[in-house]
Amino acid sequence: QVQLVQSGAEVKKPGASVKLSCKASGYTFNRYTIQWVRQAPGQRLEWLGWINIVNGGTKYSQKFKGRVTITRDTSATTAYLDLRSLTFEDTAVFYCARGTHTGWSDYWGQGTLVTVSS
Amino acid sequence: QSVLTQPPSVSGAPGQSVTISCTGSSSNIGAGHSIHWYQQRPGIPPKALIYDNFNRPSGVPDRFSGSKSGTSASLAITGLQAEDEADYYCQSYDSSVSGWMFGGGTKLTVL
Repeated sequence: QVQLVQSGAEVKKPGASVKLSCKASGYTFNRYTIQWVRQAPGQRLEWLGWINIVNGGTKYSQKFKGRVTITRDTSATTAYLDLRSLTFEDTAVFYCARGTHTGWSDYWGQGTLVTVSS
Repeated sequence: QSVLTQPPSVSGAPGQSVTISCTGSSSNIGAGHSIHWYQQRPGIPPKALIYDNFNRPSGVPDRFSGSKSGTSASLAITGLQAEDEADYYCQSYDSSVSGWMFGGGTKLTVL
């Protein structure tokens, strides 16, 4: 069965960086994209970006451009999200999701809580 | 900043029907980009309900349906059940920002 398993919770100080992982299994990794979405406490879903597994091409939300990098390791069927210069407002649950060509996501990871605290 | 606007909340009694709107613009829904809908219960990742405007993923009951017209889209839920109480989000691609975006979310309360 399709599974996306994300790395564990993180606590970071303001200004630090965080790198999250998303291990995919149960499907052919390069037939779908991986999208990253976050949700601050009590807030809406927010799209961060997307990676084409075949060629590594990426697309990022303009809000996060310059601060976020999405990569993948095809041999490990794992995608990564790197977010830099963290602020308190980055405290959120970060989700990875399997993306289709029209942008909808049919399978989601369990989420990773990132807490930014001094 | 382009946005997808949803009502903050809707409610209905068990067995009734509700509709949740998602209003966009000429750079997203009006440009012909597909609309997708998700259901999210507290503490759980979102679940896709409708994709590509009106299609249901396998396992989603036909009580859920999607439609689209002009710069707006709607999610209709018939025969409301207690388990439908959740947050609902629309999603579309936006050409002006070259990326996907979500609506603000709508909290459905089953009375």
